[in-house]
Amino acid sequence: GAVVSQHPSWVICKSGTSVKIECRSLDFQATTMFWYRQFPKQSLMLMATSNEGSKATYEQGVEKDKFLINHASLTLSTLTVTSAHPEDSSFYICSARRATGENTEAFFGQGTRLTVV
Amino acid sequence: GENVEQHPSTLSVQEGDSAVIKCTYSDSASNYFPWYKQELGKRPQLIIDIRSNVGEKKDQRIAVTLNKTAKHFSLHITETQPEDSAVYFCAASKGGGSYIPTFGRGTSLIVHP
Repeated sequence: GAVVSQHPSWVICKSGTSVKIECRSLDFQATTMFWYRQFPKQSLMLMATSNEGSKATYEQGVEKDKFLINHASLTLSTLTVTSAHPEDSSFYICSARRATGENTEAFFGQGTRLTVV
Repeated sequence: GENVEQHPSTLSVQEGDSAVIKCTYSDSASNYFPWYKQELGKRPQLIIDIRSNVGEKKDQRIAVTLNKTAKHFSLHITETQPEDSAVYFCAASKGGGSYIPTFGRGTSLIVHP
């Protein structure tokens, strides 16, 4: 299967600072990347869908100015949590979809555990 | 939009028993249904998927069935083993450029040795 690498795998930051999370597709081109947030023992909540070269589409209730998404190339998307607060502490996970084919699988990154203190 | 319901939220079985997880979806246009396994602290991994032109698919101890009319699909695991213990998520999506999967809430499967 294809490999999606997410970095960092965990980060602790102070309240008010910003944190950038990277999602890279290592061996395929990803036209679409998805960003999820997962609370303990809960499902994957879609935050936004990003397509290479265009603005991300945010789900209802997700603040686009707080969660900045950039999909500058076919292999890299970044999520920046701006002015982080303790309530932003969560597990953030990306997935990337291969550029070809119908109904193709999306591959997940390993996730980033964010703790805001 | 799509709504996916998944049951049960937890499932406890003895090693060797079968486990069944059920999901329903709301959007009749959905035509792709993947199942993911997520171990604690790790990424979800695709274990099996099914498309709407197929009613059943099997891969060793894992099988998935789809009833398009009733809009429900199920995951069946036979001869469960302790390493099957994990959280399982179902998802439903349209295909092609409209691919955005909606996930169920997850089922925590515990297989007792």
